[in-house]
Amino acid sequence: EDQVTQSPEALRLQEGESSSLNCSYTVSGLRGLFWYRQDPGKGPEFLFTLYSAGEEKEKERLKATLTKKESFLHITAPKPEDSATYLCAVQTNFYGGSQGNLIFGKGTKLSVKP
Amino acid sequence: DTEVTQTPKHLVMGMTNKKSLKCEQHMGHRAMYWYKQKAKKPPELMFVYSYEKLSINESVPSRFSPECPNSSLLNLHLHALQPEDSALYLCASSTEQGSYEQYFGPGTRLTVT
Repeated sequence: EDQVTQSPEALRLQEGESSSLNCSYTVSGLRGLFWYRQDPGKGPEFLFTLYSAGEEKEKERLKATLTKKESFLHITAPKPEDSATYLCAVQTNFYGGSQGNLIFGKGTKLSVKP
Repeated sequence: DTEVTQTPKHLVMGMTNKKSLKCEQHMGHRAMYWYKQKAKKPPELMFVYSYEKLSINESVPSRFSPECPNSSLLNLHLHALQPEDSALYLCASSTEQGSYEQYFGPGTRLTVT
């Protein structure tokens, strides 16, 4: 069965304290892995797409990496405005069990204190 | 422009009411989605439209009725809802079903009284 697990569930950081969020997955045929940021009461905001092991993407203080079994979202010198829930989602090949739909992890709630 | 818009932002309805949620995108995407999200949970897929045809219905109760009038619009008609249907309803779109990233709207916060 296709599965996505995110850890930790919650992470509290001091401003400037770098850390990483993990997304491990077990799927039959990965088509893509996506990272989203979600603020309370808002829709998920697309951050990155990763397609193959070894791929890396960067945006401001965020860097996403992908291996064959997991992805990391590295946050360098975070600021309070980076506080949000970060969702990881994987997409399988269209004719797999999930028909190409997104399989979401439960998210990591990040809090950055000044 | 990667914007998906949703109206209304908030909706309060009684269990006997009929209401509709609306979603619009102008990115030329041919796949559109409805998700339901409860507090502290990830989005849960409800329906997928591909080229304006219903492609996936994830065993959603018939009190939720989707409609895709054209390639830019997606509606969700609500009737005889239950209090447990209160949630954030999210619309998303993507270039094609099963391909590329999905872009989400801001959501409609629905409260059923």
